[in-house]
Amino acid sequence: DTGVSQNPRHKITKRGQNVTFRCDPISEHNRLYWYRQTLGQGPEFLTYFQNEAQLEKSRLLSDRFSAERPKGSFSTLEIQRTEQGDSAMYLCASSLVLGLAGELFFGEGSRLTVL
Amino acid sequence: GDSVTQMEGPVTLSEEAFLTINCTYTATGYPSLFWYVQYPGEGLQLLLKATKADDKGSNKGFEATYRKETTSFHLEKGSVQVSDSAVYFCALRVYNFNKFYFGSGTKLNVKP
Repeated sequence: DTGVSQNPRHKITKRGQNVTFRCDPISEHNRLYWYRQTLGQGPEFLTYFQNEAQLEKSRLLSDRFSAERPKGSFSTLEIQRTEQGDSAMYLCASSLVLGLAGELFFGEGSRLTVL
Repeated sequence: GDSVTQMEGPVTLSEEAFLTINCTYTATGYPSLFWYVQYPGEGLQLLLKATKADDKGSNKGFEATYRKETTSFHLEKGSVQVSDSAVYFCALRVYNFNKFYFGSGTKLNVKP
């Protein structure tokens, strides 16, 4: 399977713990996105990378959230001191070139449950 | 700002019924428009897209026409199947801006 891969698929943690999610994009894609999706809502933009550079972060992204993409390949999203409001599906997507018709390719998501 | 509004669900139809899911948008620039579909337990996948006014995107029997005058991109299918049961998301991207904006999704249930 050469699609976008996310791990773990489901993480249950206690409030205050740190969690990390990993995303492996489609290998030739130079852009990588993180979105958050809560129940009954569409994906909300969190941040994106072009190669290893993080080019934009949403104002929704608190200081407890950090994302990296070392070497421009896989990416990690870390949430420190988790809160119950962080419970959501975290989606990763990648793309090659965003011309007019450029699309995002999504992984299956990592579901976070904070108890 | 840029945003997408789509009709609330769930939408429940019988097999072979006609489907319309409404989507309207607000954009600061000139957007490309997309419909994504999410089947149970799977990630979002592109269903169809259109990049300029009056373009019609189509795939798997679904169609949507980019209407600049009404800022709409309604999704239609002439005869739905049980296998079309999923959540459908309308999305836009303004060229030169690298974020996609998604609607809240419309769940479709098709009964045999």
